[in-house]
Amino acid sequence: NAGVTQTPKFQVLKTGQSMTLQCAQDMNHEYMSWYRQDPGMGLRLIHYSVGAGITDQGEVPNGYNVSRSTTEDFPLRLLSAAPSQTSVYFCASSYEGQMNTEAFFGQGTRLTVV
Amino acid sequence: GENVEQHPSTLSVQEGDSAVIKCTYSDSASNYFPWYKQELGKGPQLIIDIRSNVGEKKDQRIAVTLNKTAKHFSLHITETQPEDSAVYFCAASRFQKLVFGTGTRLLVSP
Repeated sequence: NAGVTQTPKFQVLKTGQSMTLQCAQDMNHEYMSWYRQDPGMGLRLIHYSVGAGITDQGEVPNGYNVSRSTTEDFPLRLLSAAPSQTSVYFCASSYEGQMNTEAFFGQGTRLTVV
Repeated sequence: GENVEQHPSTLSVQEGDSAVIKCTYSDSASNYFPWYKQELGKGPQLIIDIRSNVGEKKDQRIAVTLNKTAKHFSLHITETQPEDSAVYFCAASRFQKLVFGTGTRLLVSP
């Protein structure tokens, strides 16, 4: 049981380049989300999805796109990378329901934009 | 929207001492309050959580208390060990949307 898998673990991009951060989970969780972690700011929600075909914006969505074509996968796309997007990105998944449940996090992707 | 404040930002204790981390939240509709531990180079991992219908929960050396009236909750770690050294995050949530505090770096010295 792999849990939440993120790829790549490290990435360096040039300003203006685009890329996709991959996230996959094998727990059949409906709810998936992306966070970015910056020093002194904790984790901030970028986008989330409550199920296949449904996505919504979080606290800091600008510059990022997501899609959810399957229950397992929730990729995060950077359209035109900027130095301000240098951060550590975490994907998480949890069971969707009326009761909140544990969110499982991936190991993170450390992104540097130069 | 929800806002979560966490204190202190750093905490240094001697092995065997207790450690307390405090958080406040702003949205009275939040009903789930998890605590996550993050070790270097890893993703956050849940260590304990509490729901709004409970005032206190304990799991071995870790306990969490919740005061809904004052909108604050705390993490208590007793008999700290060097392996407790990590960054701890509190969060508040309603319908799975987690809002995190800014984290506390706990250092336990032998």
